[in-house]
Amino acid sequence: DGGITQSPKYLFRKEGQNVTLSCEQNLNHDAMYWYRQDPGQGLRLIYYSQIVNDFQKGDIAEGYSVSREKKESFPLTVTSAQKNPTAFYLCASTPLGGYSNQPQHFGDGTRLSIL
Amino acid sequence: QQQVKQSPQSLIVQKGGIPIINCAYENTAFDYFPWYQQFPGKGPALLIAIRPDVSEKKEGRFTISFNKSAKQFSLHIMDSQPGDSATYFCAASGGGSRLTFGEGTQLTVNP
Repeated sequence: DGGITQSPKYLFRKEGQNVTLSCEQNLNHDAMYWYRQDPGQGLRLIYYSQIVNDFQKGDIAEGYSVSREKKESFPLTVTSAQKNPTAFYLCASTPLGGYSNQPQHFGDGTRLSIL
Repeated sequence: QQQVKQSPQSLIVQKGGIPIINCAYENTAFDYFPWYQQFPGKGPALLIAIRPDVSEKKEGRFTISFNKSAKQFSLHIMDSQPGDSATYFCAASGGGSRLTFGEGTQLTVNP
C-alpha cells in the first residue's frame, strides 16, 4: 500500500539537543510538507519542497531545518534554537509540485516532547 | 489575506443531528476548498473538497455548501454518528499559494 511513513511516533528531546524526524513516502509525489500542530491552532507550515534538492520556508521555519536529497524522503531537524518544540509534527505530500490545488496526503505524525 | 477563519472551535451534537462547521476566507484567489478529518493520534485525511464553480457538493453523509459572494463555505454532516467524532479542518488554496488551514473544530457526537 502506498502512503507516508513518519517515525518515530513519539520522540523526546533533551535541552540543547537536535532531533530529526523521519518522513518517507512511496506515492511518487513531487511535493512534500512539514506542519506543526498545536491545540487550537490548526496546522502551521514549517517547510515545504516541490522538487529534490530544493525547499522553501513556511510560516514558522525558525529553529527547524530540512533536506530533500531523495524524492521519497524529507527529514525535519528540530534544532536547539527551537525553544518550544513540544508539538505534534505532520508530514504531507502532493502529486505535483508547483500546483496548489492538489489533495494533501498526511502521515500519522510524530509527537515530540521535552524531557 | 491568507487566513481562513473556522468556527465553532468545538461542537457537541446527539446521534442523528446535523453538525455544521463554518469557514470564511479573504483571499479571492483561493479556488480550492478541502475539508480534512482527523482522529486522535492520526494525520488528517481528505474528506471532501469543492471548487468555486459549484455551490454545493455531496459525498455520502457529508455536504459542502459554498457561497462565493460571501467568501464562506461550510461542512454539514447528515445523520451524524458517534464514529464521526473527530477534529475537522477546512482549508483553502489557489493562485499558486499553499494550503492555508483553519483552526479546527472538535466534534463530539453523543450516542
